[in-house]
Amino acid sequence: DQQVKQNSPSLSVQEGRISILNCDYTNSMFDYFLWYKKYPAEGPTFLISISSIKDKNEDGRFTVFLNKSAKHLSLHIVPSQPGDSAVYFCAAGTSGSRLTFGEGTQLTVNP
Amino acid sequence: GAGVSQSPRYKVAKRGQDVALRCDPISGHVSLFWYQQALGQGPEFLTYFQNEAQLDKSGLPSDRFFAERPEGSVSTLKIQRTQQEDSAVYLCASSLDIYGYTFGSGTRLTVV
Repeated sequence: DQQVKQNSPSLSVQEGRISILNCDYTNSMFDYFLWYKKYPAEGPTFLISISSIKDKNEDGRFTVFLNKSAKHLSLHIVPSQPGDSAVYFCAAGTSGSRLTFGEGTQLTVNP
Repeated sequence: GAGVSQSPRYKVAKRGQDVALRCDPISGHVSLFWYQQALGQGPEFLTYFQNEAQLDKSGLPSDRFFAERPEGSVSTLKIQRTQQEDSAVYLCASSLDIYGYTFGSGTRLTVV
């Protein structure tokens, strides 16, 4: 029972263009959502979060959008940079603080 | 320290051997989590501590897995009689609140 799904295992974009990573969830009890970035041989690094009372959160080049009716969230990176190349994990949780992660999307930004 | 520290970084164990994985959380972080990440998958929840109390161990896959945090700081994840399916990266994270855990670099366990 995969409660958080990232259907694209990989994404390739050109430097300077927009990267859009998608995530779908099934559990309507989730009330906060996070994106993590992971480089090889390192642990995931927190990137940005959003609570269920909002539909958008922005931090510099990173924006997360939440569509609760569709149980869908997305991460937009603009402009994309080669240093953004990494695996991106979507995660969701409830007030109990345990997180459920998606399978990850490998983003490659080409110079 | 400045981050979450895990040791060892790599561990190779023979099938049937017991292993102990250590996590040093960020000083002052009340919450500590263990996750298991298999190759090509996202992290999966194992267990959660608030100070020394283990509040949720529902993710532990079998009774061979045991975690403790006796003084509310350092935590140890112990796996008894390791099996090949235990091979994974074990991630520890600590946090002050429900947002933005800080993860350690993980321990990569290979059971041969």
